[in-house]
Amino acid sequence: EPEVTQTPSHQVTQMGQEVILRCVPISNHLYFYWYRQILGQKVEFLVSFYNNEISEKSEIFDDQFSVERPDGSNFTLKIRSTKLEDSAMYFCASRPLGTGELFFGEGSRLTVL
Amino acid sequence: AQSVTQPDIHITVSEGASLELRCNYSYGATPYLFWYVQSPGQGLQLLLKYFSGDTLVQGIKGFEAEFKRSQSSFNLRKPSVHWSDAAEYFCAVGSMSYKLSFGAGTTVTVRA
Repeated sequence: EPEVTQTPSHQVTQMGQEVILRCVPISNHLYFYWYRQILGQKVEFLVSFYNNEISEKSEIFDDQFSVERPDGSNFTLKIRSTKLEDSAMYFCASRPLGTGELFFGEGSRLTVL
Repeated sequence: AQSVTQPDIHITVSEGASLELRCNYSYGATPYLFWYVQSPGQGLQLLLKYFSGDTLVQGIKGFEAEFKRSQSSFNLRKPSVHWSDAAEYFCAVGSMSYKLSFGAGTTVTVRA
């Protein structure tokens, strides 16, 4: 069964460092998303991406965040200068055209020290 | 603004017993409603979704949910729980864009 894959599964970084989280969405999917879950809190929407541009973003997704689809398969989330409060599980998701299912990856845990 | 409340943080149920997880939502228009399950170390798996039509929705793993507009609820049920149903369950509400708002989750423990 096709699945969304995310790397790394866990990353530890120092405050102020840049981090790139990678995702490989399901191959025929057209819509891509990043969500995050801070420990003990709700899963929160960050950004959606379609046709090589951001279609919607939350207030969390400030100038420190960016997304990119550098080639035909990867979808990345970059945090330019990490803060302690960026520590969270980051989930990538993708879905096909139409009202299909949103498929989530297993998440990348980011720990900022 | 859209939001979801899951009143029960933790539920313990005996194997073979029925399960009901509560979900109340706030949304300005006709909502898209979802239930996801997350097992330890796993991603979020869709159990079922409601967009329109029949208010009783069937999902995977024997789960069903009922949309009640008058109560702003979308409760999840399973008639007979298996030990493998132990997990965390999330209700979510959103729009066609799939900008979803999740509840805080309900952890289900299944005792033998």
